[in-house]
Amino acid sequence: AQSVTQLDSQVPVFEEAPVELRCNYSSSVSVYLFWYVQYPNQGLQLLLKYLSGSTLVKGINGFEAEFNKSQTSFHLRKPSVHISDTAEYFCAVSATGNQFYFGTGTSLTVIP
Amino acid sequence: SAVISQKPSRDICQRGTSLTIQCQVDSQVTMMFWYRQQPGQSLTLIATANQGSEATYESGFVIDKFPISRPNLTFSTLTVSNMSPEDSSIYLCSGMGQDYQETQYFGPGTRLLVL
Repeated sequence: AQSVTQLDSQVPVFEEAPVELRCNYSSSVSVYLFWYVQYPNQGLQLLLKYLSGSTLVKGINGFEAEFNKSQTSFHLRKPSVHISDTAEYFCAVSATGNQFYFGTGTSLTVIP
Repeated sequence: SAVISQKPSRDICQRGTSLTIQCQVDSQVTMMFWYRQQPGQSLTLIATANQGSEATYESGFVIDKFPISRPNLTFSTLTVSNMSPEDSSIYLCSGMGQDYQETQYFGPGTRLLVL
């Protein structure tokens, strides 16, 4: 089975500063990796995904993530955050493409 | 990507009653899922909704409490039966199909409060 660890439950960051949200996974097989964002009172929206190919993946809203197989990580980054980025961020892993395993989420708060 | 809608978006219910949540996908999907997200927590998979047959439930979830239907490839319902305050959660449906590149797309969720 797979599992996902998001080490940071809350990340406060000042507006226009860079941010990194950490995600580590465990799996004995090749995986697909995803980041989703959940704005207040909304469902989950796909930010970006890694299926294969280039390990640096770019997503919506200026976010990017890098798949590091040796460190089993898929950290999410943004060089300059905006107030509107305040949300809950979930990392997810899937091995077969069917069963998804979600992390516990990271609450990003952007401070004006 | 898929566009997924859910009804109702929120509801307040009395304990002991039941609520049926509807999920509609704008295109055919091979798989549909139902999740529960308790306040401040991550997503927990309730079941996989199978077209024309019984849903596949995860450990800790049973058909009598969460009956699920999926009459066709674009529609599913989840019923929360005999509700108690512990059932207060966000319920999310998702869809995944061969055209979606192994990706699940989510509905906006149904926010349920049981008094």
